[in-house]
Order: sequence, then C-alpha cells, then structure tokens
Amino acid sequence: EAGVAQSPRYKIIEKRQSVAFWCNPISGHATLYWYQQILGQGPKLLIQFQNNGVVDDSQLPKDRFSAERLKGVDSTLKIQPAKLEDSAVYLCASSFTSGENTEAFFGQGTRLTVV
Amino acid sequence: AQSVTQLDSHVSVSEGTPVLLRCNYSSSYSPSLFWYVQHPNKGLQLLLKYTSAATLVKGINGFEAEFKKSETSFHLTKPSAHMSDAAEYFCVVSPYNFNKFYFGSGTKLNVKP
Repeated sequence: EAGVAQSPRYKIIEKRQSVAFWCNPISGHATLYWYQQILGQGPKLLIQFQNNGVVDDSQLPKDRFSAERLKGVDSTLKIQPAKLEDSAVYLCASSFTSGENTEAFFGQGTRLTVV
Repeated sequence: AQSVTQLDSHVSVSEGTPVLLRCNYSSSYSPSLFWYVQHPNKGLQLLLKYTSAATLVKGINGFEAEFKKSETSFHLTKPSAHMSDAAEYFCVVSPYNFNKFYFGSGTKLNVKP
C-alpha cells in the first residue's frame, strides 16, 4: 500500500514569510497528525484530526499556525508569518484505529529552514 | 499523564557488540509501546510494538524489546550491532484507546568499526 505522502521535502523561507505543507495519509486512515521535530528533539504533536474534525490542537501556536483537513482526507499545515524558531522537520502521520491495534505511519517529513 | 524518558541521549558501541537503548514510560492507561528508528534525512520507521500480548517483542533487523510493567520499562536490545544500525531511535507510548503517540527525546546510536 502507498505510504503517507508529504510535500515539499525541503523549504527555505525568510522570516515573516508564509509557507504551507501538504499531507496525504494512507487511504482509509481516519486519524491524521502533524508533528514538529526540532533538531535534537523528539517529535511534538501540533494537531490531531479525526476525519475532518480537530481532536487536539492544544500545542498548536494558533497565532501563526493553522491546519485544515476539509474533506477528511488530505491536510495542509500553514505558518504565517514564520519565525526563526519554526525551523524544524514537520512530520505528518496517520493511523487506522484505536485500541490495541493502533499504530502511526509517518511520512518522510518537510524540512523547513527559516532564515 | 503520559510521558516517555529515554535515559541516554547518545550511545556508542563497536560493531558486533550488543546494543541496549533504555526507555521508561509513564501512562495512566494500559499502553501500547513502540520503538521507531530514524536514519538521517529519512522518515520514521517502526521497529517493533508491544500491545499487551507477549512481553518480549521481536522486531525487524534483529531488534527486540521487553515490556516490564513493574519497572515501567521497555528497553530495546540487539545482540550484535551492525554499521547500518547507526541512527536515532525513539521510544513511543500510546495510551490504550486514546490514539495518541507520545515520543521520547530520542537516543542517537553510533556504531564504531
């Protein structure tokens, strides 16, 4: 089966510019996650969707970050305006169920550099 | 509350010697536990997972991990390291029925020739 697709793979922008990332999860996966991974740290959850609804966005800096999953399939994450500290890898993941058989599948990530 | 502590940020071993990467967790609910590996500029790959079946879990590439509830630990081991094992490893906890994944801070494994 096809994995989680993300684009672009790399992006360099100047501070105060805007940027958007795209994710297409594995077909049939109801849950979609966006994680931020700063260099030297473990991934941190930014937002979690169940179908097209937000389950958890408590760690999302809502003054500059936004995300949507309008049709319950693919998703976009936007940063506007970007700051230097937003430089990180942005990982998208999807999962198919909860309970004992839950498992997250990750895309290759988008590496963002803000200069 | 859920948390994961990876006790070593860096581990260095010689090729052919055993690997031990340590992980302790805290979870309010019966957890599933995972180890993921991340090679440079690559995505996260699942090594193995524990989901309340056998406490000794075997994964890919010769890795295994043992779930010890009394010690709240899920350490990752491999009998003999290979150069290709050099990567960053993440321990992850997912509380039962919550569909959330909490990451440790990662352990970088260096394998010396």
